[in-house]
Amino acid sequence: QVQLQQSGPGLVKPSQTLSLTCAISGDSISSNSVAWNWIRQSPSRGLEWLGRTSYASKWYIDYAESVKGRITINRDTSKNQFSLQLNSVTPEDTAVYFCARGSFRAIDVWGQGTTVTVSS
Amino acid sequence: DIQMTQSPSSVSASVGDTVTITCRASQDISKWLAWYQQKPGKAPNLLIYATSNLQSGVPSRFTGSGSGTSFTFTISSLQPEDFATYYCQQGDSFPRFTFGGGTRVEIK
Repeated sequence: QVQLQQSGPGLVKPSQTLSLTCAISGDSISSNSVAWNWIRQSPSRGLEWLGRTSYASKWYIDYAESVKGRITINRDTSKNQFSLQLNSVTPEDTAVYFCARGSFRAIDVWGQGTTVTVSS
Repeated sequence: DIQMTQSPSSVSASVGDTVTITCRASQDISKWLAWYQQKPGKAPNLLIYATSNLQSGVPSRFTGSGSGTSFTFTISSLQPEDFATYYCQQGDSFPRFTFGGGTRVEIK
């Protein structure tokens, strides 16, 4: 079955860059009709979609307006993984971050979650 | 952005009860509504997609209905493992999903 394994630091200093990676097993990052997403969850903001990358004859990347300008999602087809970078973080970015697969306009596979705290 | 409003925010129920949760969208989202269950410390788990389609392996006591802006999620004959928080999510503005605020189902 499809599994997503997240990795990355759990503590980031304010103004620095949050970086997380999601390794995919049981599927290909280049699969058609699915999307590879980053979603976060915090008590103040609830579940918040951040962005996605997907392939359907060409590569697509989309970002949420709330983080546009600070977010980058990259893909590594050779390692079958994708990553999140969020720049200039503040304590407001403290959350549990999930990578996730989208299919049929829903999220059918989730990573285990990474708790990221922004603090000096 | 499409806003999703869930009600109630919490509900107390007993094993064997039927629980109903409502989700309203700020605009027409057609049939693109999904429901998730989340337990503490875990990722959400997809139960229903496209309003009423049961995800593989999900028990049939979970059902969904609705269209447009108003949707309903029902748990029939509540089981001990069903005590959790439930979220709706719209997929109409794909790829930009938005989620409801959640409904906590607690033991009475």
